[in-house]
Amino acid sequence: AQRVTQPEKLLSVFKGAPVELKCNYSYSGSPELFWYVQYSRQRLQLLLRHISRESIKGFTADLNKGETSFHLKKPFAQEEDSAMYYCARTSGTYKYIFGTGTRLKVLA
Amino acid sequence: EAEVAQSPRYKITEKSQAVAFWCDPISGHATLYWYRQILGQGPELLVQFQDESVVDDSQLPKDRFSAERLKGVDSTLKIQPAELGDSAMYLCASSPTSYTQYFGPGTRLTVL
Repeated sequence: AQRVTQPEKLLSVFKGAPVELKCNYSYSGSPELFWYVQYSRQRLQLLLRHISRESIKGFTADLNKGETSFHLKKPFAQEEDSAMYYCARTSGTYKYIFGTGTRLKVLA
Repeated sequence: EAEVAQSPRYKITEKSQAVAFWCDPISGHATLYWYRQILGQGPELLVQFQDESVVDDSQLPKDRFSAERLKGVDSTLKIQPAELGDSAMYLCASSPTSYTQYFGPGTRLTVL
């Protein structure tokens, strides 16, 4: 079955420290990978997609097909980065499978 | 900026009752999704529409859940009868036929 695994439910880092949110996906075809973010009291929104190779809010994510990983990284965490982060892969036509999410807490 | 609308935002019901949720996607978005998100888990797709047609409802518990998008615009998700295990956040999303999905605020259902 197609799966997305986010091994950490909670990740706490200090402001200014590097952040890495882990995501591994099951290998099946050539999926597209995404990171979605949900800030407190806001709706789920797209953060970035691997195909665009862009940096959003200082976050980047590199697709590693050999390790089937798509980890989200930021060199210096900010307090406003505190949120719930979901990794997702495509499955079929315009469908996603989401991971269980990682809550990032950036401590002052 | 256009957004996906959902109502109600919160619903409390007793088991065996019927509930219905409504979603109004962003204008022009052909694809509409209903997800269920249980606390501590990621969103799980229940049903996907392309215009008024169901593309995928393989994860929809069809004995109690139904969904429709009659004119290919707004959509309704119904549960009858509700069970305790249905307590969750129900999310609607729409997409302009691409892989970017735009989510609504969700309806939080509590079944007592």
